Amino acid sequence: ILNVEQSPQSLHVQEGDSTNFTCSFPSSNFYALHWYRWETAKSPEALFVMTLNGDEKKKGRISATLNTKEGYSYLYIKGSQPEDSATYLCGRTGTASKLTFGTGTRLQVTL
Amino acid sequence: KAGVTQTPRYLIKTRGQQVTLSCSPISGHRSVSWYQQTPGQGLQFLFEYFSETQRNKGNFPGRFSGRQFSNSRSEMNVSTLELGDSALYLCASSLEGTRPTDTQYFGPGTRLTVL
Repeated sequence: ILNVEQSPQSLHVQEGDSTNFTCSFPSSNFYALHWYRWETAKSPEALFVMTLNGDEKKKGRISATLNTKEGYSYLYIKGSQPEDSATYLCGRTGTASKLTFGTGTRLQVTL
Repeated sequence: KAGVTQTPRYLIKTRGQQVTLSCSPISGHRSVSWYQQTPGQGLQFLFEYFSETQRNKGNFPGRFSGRQFSNSRSEMNVSTLELGDSALYLCASSLEGTRPTDTQYFGPGTRLTVL
């Protein structure tokens, strides 16, 4: 993996469904993995910063895990709600503080 | 605490013109980064300023430049605009921005359309 890649590109789920998406990144010179939620017409909002292999973070119904050896992170949303509809971005920092982002996963939650 | 603000929110320019975008970071934040988002692309890093100095730079042509003032406010300038410069330009601030774990706080962006 040379760049940060996110899958799927978009996702459409029903209210109450649980869902997850993937962020893959170069594992060499890895320092931190950032997750953001970006709602339409708003600013991207920081969700998690993760650094250690095996790290797991949780915020309400949203959680994330990190595998730095194989270079991936999963974001999980339990019991999706319409207000979870947003684009979820992951970004990786290496030796510098510069963030390299994936193209995001667009989540649509319908009633 | 007020968030990151960007002005203007929308801008329409024609090819060949130049444009200046402004970003006011969160009070106390000294690092300001700029990103470009075009359809189908992730956020592409333009540059980062800290204490009025450019500290990091992305892979963009020299037409893209920036500066930071003593109050940490930052401006980004694009000269000789091209159609492909149409994008959402986001700025983000962080306290020091020296650690890879530092959270960056984003503004709402400036939507630039080049005709």
